[in-house]
Amino acid sequence: DTEVTQTPKHLVMGMTNKKSLKCEQHMGHRAMYWYKQKAKKPPELMFVYSYEKLSINESVPSRFSPECPNSSLLNLHLHALQPEDSALYLCASSQGIAGGLQETQYFGPGTRLLVL
Amino acid sequence: GESVGLHLPTLSVQEGDNSIINCAYSNSASDYFIWYKQESGKGPQFIIDIRSNMDKRQGQRVTVLLNKTVKHLSLQIAATQPGDSAVYFCAENLHVNTGNQFYFGTGTSLTVIP
Repeated sequence: DTEVTQTPKHLVMGMTNKKSLKCEQHMGHRAMYWYKQKAKKPPELMFVYSYEKLSINESVPSRFSPECPNSSLLNLHLHALQPEDSALYLCASSQGIAGGLQETQYFGPGTRLLVL
Repeated sequence: GESVGLHLPTLSVQEGDNSIINCAYSNSASDYFIWYKQESGKGPQFIIDIRSNMDKRQGQRVTVLLNKTVKHLSLQIAATQPGDSAVYFCAENLHVNTGNQFYFGTGTSLTVIP
């Protein structure tokens, strides 16, 4: 099973709403990632979790709050977003072997977010 | 057909022809590179990878070439098919103490003409 699942597939929210994106993998991977992708642009790394700990935060605004409750789940909590935050949010995972290099990432299908 | 990923983001080829998609990466410390295919409405799908100690790697109908001297990567697709139509991204892996960072190139949109 090389599947990463994401829910919901689509999300529309207002600027005062609080919502969460969810990501799940059952490959035993210990590294999980959040990316943001605007139309016709490459994915941009937001956060990296390694062994359930936040290891990389690419200067993402605090209105995005990641959470890794266990090794299979990754959440992205959204609060007070702006219309420019509308994008495809992609989750990915990789083996995440401590000190490991050169790991293939597996991506989920993404959540398409629209902020009104 | 051939593209320079950063300057020609679209590439159109006839079905059956070979395609070459190019990518320039930025960090000389990157030691692992991946090509992804992304179809409309889907997440990136792994195609092929190459480690920095290699110059060439072949898969089924795809070949990746790495030139570390000029920090250039290319993806060759043989006998391109309509199902190959998608956006192709290269990604470079930079390993830092805190984990793996992956950075994506601009992407090239490939259209296969039947």
